[in-house]
Amino acid sequence: GENVEQHPSTLSVQEGDSAVIKCTYSDSASNYFPWYKQELGKRPQLIIDIRSNVGEKKDQRIAVTLNKTAKHFSLHITETQPEDSAVYFCAASQRDSGYSTLTFGKGTMLLVSP
Amino acid sequence: IAGITQAPTSQILAAGRRMTLRCTQDMRHNAMYWYRQDLGLGLRLIHYSNTAGTTGKGEVPDGYSVSRANTDDFPLTLASAVPSQTSVYFCASNAGPNQPQHFGDGTRLSIL
Repeated sequence: GENVEQHPSTLSVQEGDSAVIKCTYSDSASNYFPWYKQELGKRPQLIIDIRSNVGEKKDQRIAVTLNKTAKHFSLHITETQPEDSAVYFCAASQRDSGYSTLTFGKGTMLLVSP
Repeated sequence: IAGITQAPTSQILAAGRRMTLRCTQDMRHNAMYWYRQDLGLGLRLIHYSNTAGTTGKGEVPDGYSVSRANTDDFPLTLASAVPSQTSVYFCASNAGPNQPQHFGDGTRLSIL
């Protein structure tokens, strides 16, 4: 099955700096890579996703890049703000009995200090 | 407001008891999922359902069962709860393969 590694496990930055979270996956057939943000005590919420036919996708201060050859993808947050503080999860799709499920990384706790 | 409703919000349960966590969605999504979330381990898939009448096993299915009698409901049952099943349980749904999954607010379950 799919294996997703996520680094770093914790990341502290100053407000205004950029933050980068990296994930690797093992299954070359994976073709969908979402990122979720989870605030303390809340549900995971999708912030951006990318499919394997695209190398980069941007949405305001958030961008995701995908390198299919190396089997890794990254989340980039620019001009970080205190409200970006949360746990971020990457995920990769896998095919199972003809259907697609997600395998999640273990998460990165991002702390943005004012 | 459209979305996923989970119940109960939290529960304390004695070991050995039977417990069913409820999940209902009103988005007419075909697929539904159950995850458990433990500190340092992320979200791990327990069971999933592609469509009403079908279910599949995820990464950590032992000790859990599910049913999918209709499109909207996907209950998760612990037949005989054990302390290692203490966790936060999230239900999710999506419209189809490689579509965004939407999560419920979770159920915090403590087994004593």
